[in-house]
This record gives sequence, C-alpha cells and structure tokens, in this order.
Amino acid sequence: AQSVTQLGSHVSVSEGALVLLRCNYSSSVPPYLFWYVQYPNQGLQLLLKYTTGATLVKGINGFEAEFKKSETSFHLTKPSAHMSDAAEYFCAVSVRAQKLVFGQGTRLTINP
Amino acid sequence: DTAVSQTPKYLVTQMGNDKSIKCEQNLGHDTMYWYKQDSKKFLKIMFSYNNKELIINETVPNRFSPKSPDKAHLNLHINSLELGDSAVYFCASSQGSAAGKLFFGSGTQLSVL
Repeated sequence: AQSVTQLGSHVSVSEGALVLLRCNYSSSVPPYLFWYVQYPNQGLQLLLKYTTGATLVKGINGFEAEFKKSETSFHLTKPSAHMSDAAEYFCAVSVRAQKLVFGQGTRLTINP
Repeated sequence: DTAVSQTPKYLVTQMGNDKSIKCEQNLGHDTMYWYKQDSKKFLKIMFSYNNKELIINETVPNRFSPKSPDKAHLNLHINSLELGDSAVYFCASSQGSAAGKLFFGSGTQLSVL
C-alpha cells in the first residue's frame, strides 16, 4: 500500500536559513507525490507536485522538491526561509489515482 | 468568491446529537472529498464522490452519511455524535482523479462535549 513518512514533526530554522523538510514514500507503482501547506485556521494549499518527467519540481513561494527514486524520497527545500513560511507542511502520495494519502505533517517554525 | 466553502466554520454540540456540515464548490470540479484532521494534525480521507457517485468509503462508522445532491455539493451528516468525533473536517474538490490538484475548504472545527 502507498504511504508517506515525514521525518520530524517539528522543524525550526532561522529567518534566511535553508529549509529542509523530509519525506519518504512507499509505493509499489510509480508514485505521484505532493507537498501541501496549511496556514493556521486554513485549509491545505498545493505547493508542488511530481507526476512524471523532471525530478526537480519547482513550486510556489520559492519551494522546490526533488524526486529520488533510489532513496524513495521527496524532500522539500527552500534556500532562504521567510517569516511567512511558518506553517504545517504535508507530504502526500496519490493512491491508484483515487485519493491522496498524507503524511503526519511537519510544523515549520521560523525564528527571527 | 471562495472556491470551496464549508459551513459552519465552528460547531459545538453535545454527545448524542445529530449535526450536518455543508460543502459547496464553484470550480466546476467533478470529484469531492471529506477529510478528517485529528488533534495531532493527521489527515485521513473519509469519503470521495465523483459526479454524485460514492467511490471511496474509508471504513468510516455508518453514523457518518455523506450526501451529494449534485456535483457541486457534498454534505456530511453525523448521527449520535461521540467525543471521538471531535476534529476538523475538511471538504475538498478536484477535477478528475486525485492525481491532480485538490482544492480544500477552510475546515469545520467540530467539538463534541
């Protein structure tokens, strides 16, 4: 069965520092992978997605993620953190193109 | 205009009551979902409808009954509410399969006392 595991329920970085949020997936078929962001008291918004093709995917707000099949990973990065990036981030995998299965979420805190 | 709107935003009720949450999307999507987010932020799919037809029912107690009067609406009715039903419920929609982009509503915070 497809699943994702996010390493670290809470990540804290300084403003201007590199953001790295880790996600590993398990899938018996080529996966479709997603990162969503949830700001306080809001629904989730799509940051980026990988379906096929280029393994480095760029998303909104300066985020990007790289699909690494050999490592079964889809880590999310941003070169320079901004205070407005503070939020909950969810990695997800599409299961049989019918539903998204989400990871446990990682809360990103930005220190001034 | 809000793309996916849910009402109410907050719902506080007593155990044993019956309540409904409404969801509407104005994106012209053909697929709608209900997700439950627990206190630890874990998100789990409950139901999925495509063109008013139920396609996913994830071992949800039958106290939960979704209803889709048309493809723009997916409501959730909950009978005999229990303490464990307290959570945030999110409605979402997509065009076609979940290989695409999901649009989420802002959630309904349900508190069962």
